Amino acid sequence: AAGVIQSPRHLIKEKRETATLKCYPIPRHDTVYWYQQGPGQDPQFLISFYEKMQSDKGSIPDRFSAQQFSDYHSELNMSSLELGDSALYFCASSSSGTGGLNTEAFFGQGTRLTVV
Amino acid sequence: DAKTTQPNSMESNEEEPVHLPCDHSTISGTDYIHWYRQLPSQGPEYVIHGLTSNVNNRMASLAIAEDRKSRTLILHRATLRDAAVYYCILRDVHNAGNMLTFGGGTRLMVKP
Repeated sequence: AAGVIQSPRHLIKEKRETATLKCYPIPRHDTVYWYQQGPGQDPQFLISFYEKMQSDKGSIPDRFSAQQFSDYHSELNMSSLELGDSALYFCASSSSGTGGLNTEAFFGQGTRLTVV
Repeated sequence: DAKTTQPNSMESNEEEPVHLPCDHSTISGTDYIHWYRQLPSQGPEYVIHGLTSNVNNRMASLAIAEDRKSRTLILHRATLRDAAVYYCILRDVHNAGNMLTFGGGTRLMVKP
């Protein structure tokens, strides 16, 4: 079965550069979530989209932005990168189903971003 | 806000059952409990979820205490592949949105 696809899998950037992470949700899933996971930490929610509109916002820095496109794929844009942005970035998708609370989210394998 | 409490870590022997507890004394009647697990270097993976009744699926069972203030995730026969961090997550209808909030999971170690 198709899973959530994230690209690239690994990315190395220098400080103050920009990075774009891409997420392709499972077909017919209408909700996308982005998470950041630092070394030894739990995944932290950044932002989510439902039907191409931002639905929730978590601890996403102002230097980051994201959007969901008409084909439901999503991109996380990160500017003025800092060393502390080095982390695993996960994307997840779900189908809204019965209001969202009763549905499961499927996570991608993540993008490992290293800022040097 | 309702919160969950899990032990930091647990150990199990391979092929034995594992009971992972999750306390949520302030849960409301419309809160779902979802369990996810995260294997090393992988994205979180859905395990099971429930509202008011015990639930079973191919991966695990979810047992709900009579007072609904705690739930236990049961892995019937632990394998080495089950070694992961297990997160018990409250999905509260009163919280903003449907995102999963990860925190304070249980690191399960499985011994051969």
